[in-house]
Amino acid sequence: GDSVTQMEGPVTLSEEACLTINCTYTATGYPSLFWYVQYPGEGLQLLLKATKADDKGSNKGFEATYRKETTSFHLEKGSVQVSDSAVYFCALSGGTSYGKLTFGQGTILTVHP
Amino acid sequence: EAGVTQFPSHSVIEKGQTVTLRCDPISGHDNLYWYRRVMGKEIKFLLHFVKESKQDESGMPNNRFLAERTGGTYSTLKVQPAELEDSGVYFCASSPSYRSSEQYFGPGTRLTVT
Repeated sequence: GDSVTQMEGPVTLSEEACLTINCTYTATGYPSLFWYVQYPGEGLQLLLKATKADDKGSNKGFEATYRKETTSFHLEKGSVQVSDSAVYFCALSGGTSYGKLTFGQGTILTVHP
Repeated sequence: EAGVTQFPSHSVIEKGQTVTLRCDPISGHDNLYWYRRVMGKEIKFLLHFVKESKQDESGMPNNRFLAERTGGTYSTLKVQPAELEDSGVYFCASSPSYRSSEQYFGPGTRLTVT
């Protein structure tokens, strides 16, 4: 079946540091890929998405590129802020998971001033 | 436009008791999903409704879980009897179409079984 693997957390950074959270996937067909974010006390929000190979999703300074050759969708940001502290989830839909989302285990990011 | 709402936000029950979680999707969204996150692990799919019909319930862990969506509006997820391993955060999400690439999530219900 489909699966998503995220880098182990938690990740602790200082403000303005660079961020990379690795995500790789296993799926048949051509899944869509997502990053969701959960801020403290809130529900999951879609951060960005990419629906086909080589697409780049971007939002709020975050970027991720759909790499089919390496089955990856790494999340990056050049300069993090304290307000970026949250839990980040990589997910896919499609493949054999048509309609439903398959998530990674989540990565806790804490940014210190 | 109101988002997805879930009730209660937190429930603490004893093993063997019954709990019912409720989800109100975004108005007009035919697709409704339930997910669960247990003890900091990955969020796992439970089931998918299209209107009032169960499209996919392959993620339901066992027959102690019963989901309904009468009239194709709000949905309930009942756990009876609850076990310790049922503790976790239960998320509901909705989307206008299963082909939609975005699902809108509620804030979740944190269930603690003692």
